[in-house]
This record gives sequence, C-alpha cells and structure tokens, in this order.
Amino acid sequence: ETGVTQTPRHLVMGMTNKKSLKCEQHLGHNAMYWYKQSAKKPLELMFVYSLEERVENNSVPSRFSPECPNSSHLFLHLHTLQPEDSALYLCASSQEQEFEQYFGPGTRLTVT
Amino acid sequence: KNQVEQSPQSLIILEGKNCTLQCNYTVSPFSNLRWYKQDTGRGPVSLTIMTFSENTKSNGRYTATLDADTKQSSLHITASQLSDSASYICVVSALYDKVIFGPGTSLSVIP
Repeated sequence: ETGVTQTPRHLVMGMTNKKSLKCEQHLGHNAMYWYKQSAKKPLELMFVYSLEERVENNSVPSRFSPECPNSSHLFLHLHTLQPEDSALYLCASSQEQEFEQYFGPGTRLTVT
Repeated sequence: KNQVEQSPQSLIILEGKNCTLQCNYTVSPFSNLRWYKQDTGRGPVSLTIMTFSENTKSNGRYTATLDADTKQSSLHITASQLSDSASYICVVSALYDKVIFGPGTSLSVIP
C-alpha cells in the first residue's frame, strides 16, 4: 500500500467548494489513473495519464479536472460537485498502460 | 467489443468452506488476466496474474486458472476465512491496448 499514496483519505465538501485530491506513486511507473467507485458499483475509469500526458478521458464532467505535473504525482481538482459525485476515488499506477496496476487506498468523498 | 463478465454477482459461504468464482472475457488480442481483491472502502490488491501460456497460478489459499481457448478464468478459494470477505475483480489486458475491469463478485464469509 505504501507504493501509491492518496491524500486526503476522507473529504467532505459542499457543492460550491473547490478541493483537490492528491496521488503520489513511489514505484517509478510511467502511467497513472483516476477511478471512481460508487457504492456497490464496479470501478469506473475516469482518466489515464502516460508519461505525463492525458491519453484517455472517459466522458468525465468538466467539474473534474486532472493534473499530472510529473510522473510521480497526479491530482484531481474538484469544483461545483453534485451529491451524486460522492464516491470512493482511487488512484493507480502501472509501469506501462497494459501492465499490472497498483492502487492507492482511495479518498472517500462526500458531497453535501 | 472487449468485455469481462463475472459470476456469481454475490456469494455467501460458511467459514472453512471452499468456493470458486468465474470470469469470462471477450478481450482480444489477449495479453494477461489478473484477479484483484478489494476490501470495502479500500483500493484493490493484486492476487494473481497470468499470461497466455499459464493455466494455473497459486497465491496461498487462492488458486487461479486460465483457459485461453474458451476465454474463461476461475479463482478458487480454499478453507475460507472471515477476512476473505471482499469483492473479487477479474481484470483482462488487451495486447498494446486497454485494461478492462470486470464488475466483481462480492464474497461474504460468515461464521
């Protein structure tokens, strides 16, 4: 679990707030991912970054804005979220896109 | 279309019993298949990974099988423990392409 870290672990925010989720990987990987997991639902891939470039954006609303300043860090900037955005947000990394992904512990987000 | 299906959707077993989870996929060209365990509210953790040439792999009480001809995989859990209660996710990678996640099987082990 220490290979991929996420902060904060829990976040409660109002619909007018702006917050950011942070992910850091210490594995020397080239690809990083953001996933959303709503209660009792499968993982939904949101964004994929490879070598710091966004290679996939799965029709995610613009209120979610990713940023990858370097190969070790990935952010998810949040603004004007909706209650239905409450979910577990997971970050993952892999050596290359088709290789095994290592997941962080997740951020439990609640939008009030 | 690349898809991964899992069955059953959920399963309840008594502590100490064995169980088998199924995964069927239509991903092509196939690169590898992995099983993850996800505890509630936490990130998934890898259990096994198998390539085309491997048809079985074990990790403690977990044994995964792969039949690349029928595009099926199974995860067998032996002598289940309460800590095995989790969601088990089958993930298939296409060669030089995407990683496709299955919907998961929710396993509950009860005393």
